Amino acid sequence: NAGVMQNPRHLVRRRGQEARLRCSPVKGHSHVYWYRQLPEEGLKFMVYLQKENIIDESGMPKERFSAEFPKEGPSILRIQQVVRGDSAAYFCASSPSSAMNTEAFFGQGTRLTVV
Amino acid sequence: AQKVTQAQTEISVVEKEDVTLDCVYETRDTTYYLFWYKQPPSGELVFLIRRNSFDEQNEISGRYSWNFQKSTSSFNFTITASQVVDSAVYFCALSEAYGNNRLAFGKGNQVVVIP
Repeated sequence: NAGVMQNPRHLVRRRGQEARLRCSPVKGHSHVYWYRQLPEEGLKFMVYLQKENIIDESGMPKERFSAEFPKEGPSILRIQQVVRGDSAAYFCASSPSSAMNTEAFFGQGTRLTVV
Repeated sequence: AQKVTQAQTEISVVEKEDVTLDCVYETRDTTYYLFWYKQPPSGELVFLIRRNSFDEQNEISGRYSWNFQKSTSSFNFTITASQVVDSAVYFCALSEAYGNNRLAFGKGNQVVVIP
């Protein structure tokens, strides 16, 4: 069984470019969470999506960041016009439901470096 | 407000010593889950344990043990007879009843095991 797959593992972008991070959840999981880990910090919740819907985006920066989870295909976290401060590891997690007693499985993360 | 506090930032121990990591959490919910994750130098997140708020039974799994005390809102983690492979960052995390299964992480403890 494939776990959560994130790609690319490493992504380098110049300031002002766009970054697209992909997350394929565990097969059958319809709930996806994105987290950001800044250097020397713990993970911070960004957004929670259920197929085709954004349920909670309380952790997303107001500008330049967007996320989607289409009916078909992976979830995408998009960062437009990247800046140095966007350099971080971005982790995706998936679960079969939002119930607390269901475990969320994490991907290996995408490390974004903005130069 | 910080929901999960891990006070120690970096802890160095000599191989075979025990190391205990402290985690203090804050929540108004009576139903919640607590987690420990390990992040080795390779960067992925490795799930270690999950405990629900109704289960204060402490657990030992191999060289790992956990001490959950609701009275002090603490969920401490001990590695017995540490090994070099235990060198990693360890994160404590909280999932609350009305949080849609999202996790609030502490800032992590960097554990360095010296051979």
